[in-house]
Amino acid sequence: QVQLVQSGPEVKKPGASVRVSCKASGFPFTSYLISWVRQAPGQGLEWMGWITPYNGKTKYAQKVQGRVTVTADTSTSTAYMELRSLIPDDTAVYYCARAGADSANYWGPGTLVTVSS
Amino acid sequence: DIQMTQSPSTLTASVGDRVTITCRASQSISTWLAWYQQKPGKAPNLLIYKASSLVDGVPSRFSGSGSGTEFTLTISSLQPDDSATYYCQQYNSYSRMWTFGQGTKVEIK
Repeated sequence: QVQLVQSGPEVKKPGASVRVSCKASGFPFTSYLISWVRQAPGQGLEWMGWITPYNGKTKYAQKVQGRVTVTADTSTSTAYMELRSLIPDDTAVYYCARAGADSANYWGPGTLVTVSS
Repeated sequence: DIQMTQSPSTLTASVGDRVTITCRASQSISTWLAWYQQKPGKAPNLLIYKASSLVDGVPSRFSGSGSGTEFTLTISSLQPDDSATYYCQQYNSYSRMWTFGQGTKVEIK
């Protein structure tokens, strides 16, 4: 069965970086996109970007462009999302999801990232 | 960027009611629209893709319609388990970016 296992919660200080991992299983990793979506406490969903593991191509939302990097290791079927220069407003649950171009049908459980001094 | 506007923000209805949520895009997105259900503390769950295609296993009381800039999610007979927040999400086939609507919280009266 399709599974996306994400890394554990993180607490970071403003200005630091965080990397969240997403290990996929149960499907051919290179046949789908991996999309990243975040959700601040009590707020809605915000798309951050996606990667095509087959060729490493990425696309990022303008709001985080320049601070975010999504990568994929096809040898371990693991995707990574790195967010730099963290600010308190980056406090959120970060989800990875298996996606086609237009929507995501399997989601990881989410990783809480807290940014606080 | 394409903006997505959902309405209403909150909806309260009774079990058995027909419920409709609307999502408007700031420009035409053809039928590149998905609907998700999210319950507290859980990841979103895809219900509808390409505006009207029901995901396997999703109850048939859920349906989606629309094209261009106006879309609707309808629950034909609201059930207690449908209490959740619903999000629309567009795919821009030109920029290849996504945008979510702000969400509609559905409560059972």
